[in-house]
Amino acid sequence: SQKIEQNSEALNIQEGKTATLTCNYTNYSPAYLQWYRQDPGRGPVFLLLIRENEKEKRKERLKVTFDTTLKQSLFHITASQPADSATYLCARLPDGGYQKVTFGTGTKLQVIP
Amino acid sequence: SQTIHQWPATLVQPVGSPLSLECTVEGTSNPNLYWYRQAAGRGLQLLFYSVGIGQISSEVPQNLSASRPQDRQFILSSKKLLLSDSGFYLCAWGAQSYEQYFGPGTRLTVT
Repeated sequence: SQKIEQNSEALNIQEGKTATLTCNYTNYSPAYLQWYRQDPGRGPVFLLLIRENEKEKRKERLKVTFDTTLKQSLFHITASQPADSATYLCARLPDGGYQKVTFGTGTKLQVIP
Repeated sequence: SQTIHQWPATLVQPVGSPLSLECTVEGTSNPNLYWYRQAAGRGLQLLFYSVGIGQISSEVPQNLSASRPQDRQFILSSKKLLLSDSGFYLCAWGAQSYEQYFGPGTRLTVT
């Protein structure tokens, strides 16, 4: 089966620094990779989608890269703030069909003031 | 704009009791609908997805079932709950551009 892994369960960084989260996948490259933010007790919120043929995507302080050679996506938050503290999930699709999305287990980011 | 509702927000049920969780979506037609479960400290596990009324695909064999009686209604059920059914249940709808939008979730505790 196709897997998607977020190697770091938790990441602590100082406010103002750039947070970098890693997502690795196995086997074939997915057509799309997505990143979501989840706060405790809430449902995930969609942040960014990057296509296989895109190297980089940006949205405000967020940047996502897609490296099909390394089979990896990196998610960056620049000028991090305590309000960015949350769990960040990556997801791949399709996985057996465009209707299905496979999520990683998430990385819990803590931005320290 | 689209809105997704789930209820109840929290639920405590004894082992062996039935379950019915409901999800409704507003502001979109013929959405792809999903049920996920998230155990404490774990990732999202896809349980069921539906691409249309009466069309349900099951990802995990278990004592849960799903139904889609109307275009924007998705129901998760069980006849007899197990302790292992405890978790955070999330309903989501999928946009044509592939991102998913999640409801507020139901925290289920089976005692």
